[in-house]
Amino acid sequence: EVQLVESGGGLIQRGESLRLSCAASGFTVSSNYMTWVRQAPGKGLEWVSVIYRGVTTYYADSVKGRFTISRDSAKNTLYLQMNSLKAEDTAVYYCARVNSGDPNLYFDSWGQGTLVTVSS
Amino acid sequence: QPVLTQPPSASASLGASVTLTCTLSSGYSNYKVDWYQQRPGKGPRFVMRVGTGGIVGSKGDGIPDRFSVLGSGLNRYLTIEDIQEEDESDFHCGADHGSGNNFVYVFGSGTKLTVL
Repeated sequence: EVQLVESGGGLIQRGESLRLSCAASGFTVSSNYMTWVRQAPGKGLEWVSVIYRGVTTYYADSVKGRFTISRDSAKNTLYLQMNSLKAEDTAVYYCARVNSGDPNLYFDSWGQGTLVTVSS
Repeated sequence: QPVLTQPPSASASLGASVTLTCTLSSGYSNYKVDWYQQRPGKGPRFVMRVGTGGIVGSKGDGIPDRFSVLGSGLNRYLTIEDIQEEDESDFHCGADHGSGNNFVYVFGSGTKLTVL
């Protein structure tokens, strides 16, 4: 069974850094594309970042230059390093597995999310 | 990039049917759209993908036969028949706007489905 469990969220001050983790089971993170999606309180979903099977990564313009996505194959875990945090980064952050079986990608398995609150 | 528009709310009585709509912005009528269900306090789950020809690929794990999709022009529809209490959720549509050397995924603002 595919399972994704996020952790690392919490209350943090504006300008500080935080690293989120997403522990995967039931599949291999390094063999899949993986992504982070966030949801601000009462708002819709916003795609944040993706990492392909190699070293290719992409970011939403809103986080480019501040966030870094990475993975640890030995721990089968996905990470999101968030620096220079802003109040507008306050959201629940979800990790998801990307289905790359079609030229157009989609997210076929999701975690339960971890809440990041940035205090100003 | 495309804009996906969803009405903020919808409602239906227990046992009835409801159709949710996701509208693509002009110029993107060939785009496939993905539907996701998010129950209260939970992470989203993939429902299915829809193009102008209907479903693309397979439904997500555990999605019942009561859920179906259609596509026409700029609209992508998700229909739920014989609505159950467990269907009360936020439904999000999304689309991959990536190209060979970029990745962008856009979501609509979501529709909150209330079961009466």
